[in-house]
Amino acid sequence: AQKITQTQPGMFVQEKEAVTLDCTYDTSDPSYGLFWYKQPSSGEMIFLIYQGSYDQQNATEGRYSLNFQKARKSANLVISASQLGDSAMYFCAMRENSGYSTLTFGKGTMLLVSP
Amino acid sequence: DSGVTQTPKHLITATGQRVTLRCSPRSGDLSVYWYQQSLDQGLQFLIQYYNGEERAKGNILERFSAQQFPDLHSELNLSSLELGDSALYFCASSPPMSSGANVLTFGAGSRLTVL
Repeated sequence: AQKITQTQPGMFVQEKEAVTLDCTYDTSDPSYGLFWYKQPSSGEMIFLIYQGSYDQQNATEGRYSLNFQKARKSANLVISASQLGDSAMYFCAMRENSGYSTLTFGKGTMLLVSP
Repeated sequence: DSGVTQTPKHLITATGQRVTLRCSPRSGDLSVYWYQQSLDQGLQFLIQYYNGEERAKGNILERFSAQQFPDLHSELNLSSLELGDSALYFCASSPPMSSGANVLTFGAGSRLTVL
């Protein structure tokens, strides 16, 4: 069964607008972490934001925020005031804290920001 | 520069050949992870090492092997290469085991093309 689901293969947004990238996850582990990474066309994987399953508040990092809805098992990434440089592939990932600490990734969402 | 160094950046080889990909983790990080990114499979976890010992194994083929040396650098060996092994291979590292995010920092990747 897929542990991380990103249902949007591609998203378009205009510069300066906000955009939400969807991510749902599946785990029975009560302790887990959720991550978002950005992969620009140059190929590197850049860490954006982290949310722990016991965190009471939604994580924020600058223009990035994570809309964490635990009961719905969703961890959507919100990018405010999109910039042209935000055009990239975005991956949601999860680490279950029982067992080893590796990350399981979703298939990604390609975001294109237009002027 | 993420602090995780991967060499070579690009590699072109023929079917049946063997290659070695090298990774130096960030200073202070003890864990090294190898991931394979291909168009059809997405980001697949291959293997993890922690302070020289294998910690977890993912979808790593028997033709592939890895190790982490005392100086903590790691090598991924790919043998009897097939066309389908063409992919971007990422190394990532993370700090010593601790609670919290334990973020994986990725290298720039090694792009392998098998002809």
